[in-house]
Amino acid sequence: AQKITQTQPGMFVQEKEAVTLDCTYDTSDPSYGLFWYKQPSSGEMIFLIYQGSYDQQNATEGRYSLNFQKARKSANLVISASQLGDSAMYFCAMREGLGSSNTGKLIFGQGTTLQVKP
Amino acid sequence: DSGVTQTPKHLITATGQRVTLRCSPRSGDLSVYWYQQSLDQGLQFLIQYYNGEERAKGNILERFSAQQFPDLHSELNLSSLELGDSALYFCASSAPDAAEQVRDYNEQFFGPGTRLTVL
Repeated sequence: AQKITQTQPGMFVQEKEAVTLDCTYDTSDPSYGLFWYKQPSSGEMIFLIYQGSYDQQNATEGRYSLNFQKARKSANLVISASQLGDSAMYFCAMREGLGSSNTGKLIFGQGTTLQVKP
Repeated sequence: DSGVTQTPKHLITATGQRVTLRCSPRSGDLSVYWYQQSLDQGLQFLIQYYNGEERAKGNILERFSAQQFPDLHSELNLSSLELGDSALYFCASSAPDAAEQVRDYNEQFFGPGTRLTVL
């Protein structure tokens, strides 16, 4: 069965430094997508970055990059030059199946709370 | 602002009661997903509708039901409420049209959520 594991319940990082949030996944489907979402204290879910299982290169979106290691089934989020506004809960999520076999439903990890120190 | 709206923002009710949560997807999105976020269960997928039809079902209790109307808005009905149903309920939408279903990048846009408190 598909599963997402985030082993870091909480993380601290100094402002302007980089931080890596870990995510490992388990699936038997060769086609899948991996997402990272940010949830600030206000509660909304903000999409950050996406990595497809067939993507050859690691995804990047501004200060966010995804360290995708397919053989190890890991999809770690790297945030560079941390800002105070990055303090939030971060969720890794997976969607199995692509194209017409894809229902779109997301399976989420338990989340990592990141606190950025000034 | 994701373009997905949810009402109400907060809901406080008593055990045994029934409530309806409403979601309006982004303009043109055909898929609506419902998720429940609670302290003990985390973020869980409940159910998905695509263009009025149920498409996928997750860990949704029998006391819960949902539907998607012709104008594509969706409602999640929760009945015989228990203390453990207290949670943040999210609606998300995706897929502007059928052709988008074949893309692997099927980003979901989340609404602000409805916080349900059962006393």
